[in-house]
Amino acid sequence: DAKTTQPTSMDCAEGRAANLPCNHSTISGNEYVYWYRQIHSQGPQYIIHGLKNNETNEMASLIITEDRKSSTLILPHATLRDTAVYYCIGQAQTNKLIFGTGTLLAVQP
Amino acid sequence: NAGVTQTPKFQVLKTGQSMTLQCAQDMNHEYMSWYRQDPGMGLRLIHYSVGAGITDQGEVPNGYNVSRSTTEDFPLRLLSAAPSQTSVYFCASRTRTVTMGYTFGSGTRLTVV
Repeated sequence: DAKTTQPTSMDCAEGRAANLPCNHSTISGNEYVYWYRQIHSQGPQYIIHGLKNNETNEMASLIITEDRKSSTLILPHATLRDTAVYYCIGQAQTNKLIFGTGTLLAVQP
Repeated sequence: NAGVTQTPKFQVLKTGQSMTLQCAQDMNHEYMSWYRQDPGMGLRLIHYSVGAGITDQGEVPNGYNVSRSTTEDFPLRLLSAAPSQTSVYFCASRTRTVTMGYTFGSGTRLTVV
């Protein structure tokens, strides 16, 4: 599975877009980029994933660069409830999901 | 559709005791995994399974056993509890196809004294 690099922490103002970057320069062609988040003390929550194309769902948008070496998770209108640790994971279609250290996003009122 | 159900939610064990953490899912997911999360740390994979009868080790398997006799259930056994196993344990499941990510349970908080 690809090694990913994320900033340790970020701040975002409530109501503004939160843009969370992730570097995955060693990602291979068959590895997807997955994003999860963990709100304090809860189980992680799947957000979105993609392979090559940009993806959007009801929670977020995922922008993957053309060379697939980096991606950005976008929460379009962050709320206080979006304060969480966000994990970017490069994973092939296997069962082993390995978490890194993630980005602590603090949404400020 | 209850999702992933973990029991118990809280447990205190004495050093040397054994116990089983239960995990059940009703989504007919082939893949299931167990993670532990120590205070202030990230999640570490203990064991995983790709289907009934098939299990494999993750990053930190020592001190734990698993079995997968049915698609629905994936229990985690602590053989002889140690204080180092004090942690929050999460179970997760996913379909074999890459349509969604994992669904996680709400966790079991285990304290070994």
